[in-house]
Amino acid sequence: GESVGLHLPTLSVQEGDNSIINCAYSNSASDYFIWYKQESGKGPQFIIDIRSNMDKRQGQRVTVLLNKTVKHLSLQIAATQPGDSAVYFCAEMETGTASKLTFGTGTRLQVTL
Amino acid sequence: NAGVTQTPKFQVLKTGQSMTLQCAQDMNHNSMYWYRQDPGMGLRLIYYSASEGTTDKGEVPNGYNVSRLNKREFSLRLESAAPSQTSVYFCASSDRVNYNEQFFGPGTRLTVL
Repeated sequence: GESVGLHLPTLSVQEGDNSIINCAYSNSASDYFIWYKQESGKGPQFIIDIRSNMDKRQGQRVTVLLNKTVKHLSLQIAATQPGDSAVYFCAEMETGTASKLTFGTGTRLQVTL
Repeated sequence: NAGVTQTPKFQVLKTGQSMTLQCAQDMNHNSMYWYRQDPGMGLRLIYYSASEGTTDKGEVPNGYNVSRLNKREFSLRLESAAPSQTSVYFCASSDRVNYNEQFFGPGTRLTVL
């Protein structure tokens, strides 16, 4: 079936640097792409989403980039902080599927001091 | 608002035993979901309920049943637990407008011996 995957399982970044987390997707029919953050022992938490007809969307300290040509999604975190340490998942959704999300396997972001 | 609550937080079962995982949300959301998360993997959808009175299978429904008791509550039942069902189970909900943003509960860690 269609799947969403990630290039890097673990990313170490120094505090204050920018982080870039990548994701490859395979379902060209997906309408939305979403990033979730999961802290240890907690459920995932929504960060930001982007519609398939956009190529960039910015939030507070985060930017999501979408390249449909190569089916690639990235999450950029500016001025990474210790509180950003978590596992980040990309997910995709095709409208008309009752908001079902297909999640990737996750990237662990470690922020070093 | 408590958001999404799940009970129990931890459970140990023997093979063949049955149990029900409870989930409730107080955000008046229409849609609710059950996921499982295995070590080092993303979340996989077990069952979902797009609205009160409806339930549908997700990616990995075998061995599970669900009940949408009312708009607030969505339970997951394991009739005859198997070691392969050892996992962390997350319940989530979303509303009709912002359906990309699913709100997750804290999870239930289930071990089947």
